[in-house]
Amino acid sequence: GAVVSQHPSRVICKSGTSVKIECRSLDFQATTMFWYRQFPKKSLMLMATSNEGSKATYEQGVEKDKFLINHASLTLSTLTVASAHPEDSSFYICSATPSSSGSNPDTQYFGPGTRLTVL
Amino acid sequence: GQQLNQSPQSMFIQEGEDVSMNCTSSSIFNTWLWYKQDPGEGPVLLIALYKAGELTSNGRLTAQFGITRKDSFLNISASIPSDVGIYFCAGQKTGTYKYIFGTGTRLKVLA
Repeated sequence: GAVVSQHPSRVICKSGTSVKIECRSLDFQATTMFWYRQFPKKSLMLMATSNEGSKATYEQGVEKDKFLINHASLTLSTLTVASAHPEDSSFYICSATPSSSGSNPDTQYFGPGTRLTVL
Repeated sequence: GQQLNQSPQSMFIQEGEDVSMNCTSSSIFNTWLWYKQDPGEGPVLLIALYKAGELTSNGRLTAQFGITRKDSFLNISASIPSDVGIYFCAGQKTGTYKYIFGTGTRLKVLA
C-alpha cells in the first residue's frame, strides 16, 4: 500500500513552454501533498504544500506564479511550471500524506519523480 | 531552506560490513523518517520513528529515535551490493506538518 505515482517521469521542452506534472496517490486519500525539488547530488528542498480544496502554501523564495499548484481531489495534485526556462531544469518529486486515521497521518510517501529538462 | 546535518556524507564499505549513519539537529523533532533513494528515483520509506528512544527494525535495518529528540541513527547490518544508494533522514517538528530533510549519506558497497 501507500503508492504514489507521478506523470510524466521525464519531460524535455523548449524554453517558454509550460509543463504540467501530476502526482497521484493510488491506494489512499491524501489531504496534503508536498512538492520538492532536487538538484543533482543534493537533498530534497520543499517547494510547497498542496492542500485539497484550498490554496497551496509556498516556501520562502518559491514563486507561486511560476510554480502553480492545484489539488483538485484527495488523490491528485498538479504542479505546473509556467513559462519554463533552463534554470527550472531539475528533478521534481511529490509526496503524499495519508488522511485516513488507520495509518500514521504524518508519514510521507514519495512518487518516483519527474525529470524536467528545459532547452 | 533548513536542512539537517547528516553524517557521514559518503562512505565506501565492503560487502558484509555493518554501516552506521546519523542525523543531528539543534531543534527537537517529534517524528523521524529514514528514506533510501536510488538514482533517478523517488525516496522510498525505510523506517518511521514516532517516540523518543524508540528502536525499530526493518530487516537488516535498525533505526533509533534519539532520547534528546534532536538526533536519529540508522544501522545497516551485513551490507549487500543493493544497499548502494543515498540515505536521507527527515525530521518533523512539533506543531508542523512539514519535514526537513538531511543532507544525505551516499553509500557505496564494494563486492
